[in-house]
Amino acid sequence: KAGVTQTPRYLIKTRGQQVTLSCSPISGHRSVSWYQQTPGQGLQFLFEYFSETQRNKGNFPGRFSGRQFSNSRSEMNVSTLELGDSALYLCASSLVTGGSRATDTQYFGPGTRLTVL
Amino acid sequence: DAKTTQPTSMDCAEGRAANLPCNHSTISGNEYVYWYRQIHSQGPQYIIHGLKNNETNEMASLIITEDRKSSTLILPHATLRDTAVYYCIVRVEGNTPLVFGKGTRLSVIA
Repeated sequence: KAGVTQTPRYLIKTRGQQVTLSCSPISGHRSVSWYQQTPGQGLQFLFEYFSETQRNKGNFPGRFSGRQFSNSRSEMNVSTLELGDSALYLCASSLVTGGSRATDTQYFGPGTRLTVL
Repeated sequence: DAKTTQPTSMDCAEGRAANLPCNHSTISGNEYVYWYRQIHSQGPQYIIHGLKNNETNEMASLIITEDRKSSTLILPHATLRDTAVYYCIVRVEGNTPLVFGKGTRLSVIA
């Protein structure tokens, strides 16, 4: 079974621009979570989508947004980019059937490395 | 904030068992212990998780103390490919967000 895929893998943008990152979950997984990793703050939770609805949200400004499509694929968008948004953006998917604790395990993709100049 | 405490770094000789400790003294009854690892600049890799019983899979074993206030991840025969940052995470049941601390940087030495 294919793992979580993220595109693009690398991205360079300039301040003030916006960016859209894409995540395709493991087949059959219905929840997608996004995380940001920086050297200073470590791995931090951005938001989680399930059935096209945002279920959980981390402590990030409104410039960070996301959405999920009916096929469970997800995108996240960052508007008005700042230098501090340079990071590795990670997507994780989970099955979520509610029947077993094992179904909530999150599996991560390889990440998108965003550099803001 | 992360609810776990882990040593900043550890070394292990190749072929020996790597024992990575984690303290989670404030863990609640409905919280699981999860372990992930991250090899340089890759996405975190799920290793194992448990509630109160010891768990084993093809990658590792998880030993949880009877009072659940600490646990140990055991990699039975460490290889150079096991060099990574290992994260111990306490997580409420359900699809709740993972809260990562700084983890333990494990270096496996030939």
